[in-house]
Amino acid sequence: LAKTTQPISMDSYEGQEVNITCSHNNIATNDYITWYQQFPSQGPRFIIQGYKTKVTNEVASLFIPADRKSSTLSLPRVSLSDTAVYYCLVGESWGKFQFGAGTQVVVTP
Amino acid sequence: EAGVTQFPSHSVIEKGQTVTLRCDPISGHDNLYWYRRVMGKEIKFLLHFVKESKQDESGMPNNRFLAERTGGTYSTLKVQPAELEDSGVYFCASSQGAHSIQYFGAGTRLSVL
Repeated sequence: LAKTTQPISMDSYEGQEVNITCSHNNIATNDYITWYQQFPSQGPRFIIQGYKTKVTNEVASLFIPADRKSSTLSLPRVSLSDTAVYYCLVGESWGKFQFGAGTQVVVTP
Repeated sequence: EAGVTQFPSHSVIEKGQTVTLRCDPISGHDNLYWYRRVMGKEIKFLLHFVKESKQDESGMPNNRFLAERTGGTYSTLKVQPAELEDSGVYFCASSQGAHSIQYFGAGTRLSVL
């Protein structure tokens, strides 16, 4: 499993864009990049998944450079309810995930 | 459509007792996973079912843990006998197939006293 490295924490104000970069130097050819969000006392919730280039959905964008050794999750115009832990996961999406410590994002007014 | 459901949400038992956790995956999902987070550490993979078969059980900590998935539907994770270090949150996830998203349940918080 590819090891991932992401910042431990990030602070932001409401309405700002939050970008979380994840490093995964040992990503394998078949690996996908998946981001999850987790609130206290809840299970991880899927945000977005991608293989290469850019993926966008209604809540986030995922930017993946050509070498795929890193990826950036972009949360546009965050609100207080976006305060959570965000996990970057790399692996074959039908297989097991290796969770790291995640990034604690705190959004303040 | 119902999501992944886990029972119970919280279980408190004494050391040496047996506990069984249950996971109901999303209907039609062949893949079922168990993970756990113990003592504030990172979430760790336990095992992966494809239908009723164990595809990967490399994360199971020891033989006190037994997972089953009868008929390829719901799954149970039994801990017998429970030890103090088994305390934590046990998550279940399911996915439909290759390159599919894993959907997680809310978890079962296990407290072994």
